[in-house]
Amino acid sequence: DGGITQSPKYLFRKEGQNVTLSCEQNLNHDAMYWYRQDPGQGLRLIYYSQIVNDFQKGDIAEGYSVSREKKESFPLTVTSAQKNPTAFYLCASRFSGMGGDTQYFGPGTRLTVL
Amino acid sequence: AQSVTQLDSQVPVFEEAPVELRCNYSSSVSVYLFWYVQYPNQGLQLLLKYLSGSTLVKGINGFEAEFNKSQTSFHLRKPSVHISDTAEYFCAVSDRDDDKIIFGKGTRLHILP
Repeated sequence: DGGITQSPKYLFRKEGQNVTLSCEQNLNHDAMYWYRQDPGQGLRLIYYSQIVNDFQKGDIAEGYSVSREKKESFPLTVTSAQKNPTAFYLCASRFSGMGGDTQYFGPGTRLTVL
Repeated sequence: AQSVTQLDSQVPVFEEAPVELRCNYSSSVSVYLFWYVQYPNQGLQLLLKYLSGSTLVKGINGFEAEFNKSQTSFHLRKPSVHISDTAEYFCAVSDRDDDKIIFGKGTRLHILP
């Protein structure tokens, strides 16, 4: 089945630790995105990548880092510099060619800092 | 920059009653408009989208939305809701030349028995 997978579904982290969230897609999409969701705030863009080996900061990139070494994968690292990392994290992808107007979402990872 | 306003954070409605979830966006330049639905602890699923053409767009699960350029609105409607429609609904807008989508803050739909 084609789609976007995120792992793990739930993640617990101690303060001061870095943690990496996985996002993989087999849709052959060029663009990938990371969002953070907090209650009542909608989705806020962290980072996005339109092509392999290139990515851009979104609206709330501080305390996060990404890599895009393969078209299929766009992992997000939440660093210890992120002051309030507890949130629901969503990955999305989009086809960049003609008709590539829609973002498709993974199931999300809920990160809790203990 | 684009922005999206969802006027109601929560909407309670009785089962089998009609519902309208309101959405306004900031710019009247050429845009793509989207409605997504999110069930608890899941990702977002596309309900419908407006790209061009007919201003009335039909989506999945019996939902439809109407694009109104003069009022910069894209309200979501369903003539008769079911308990399974309980979810959070997000309106989103994208400029046609932009790779990014701007999301509203969401409207939580509560279906009352």
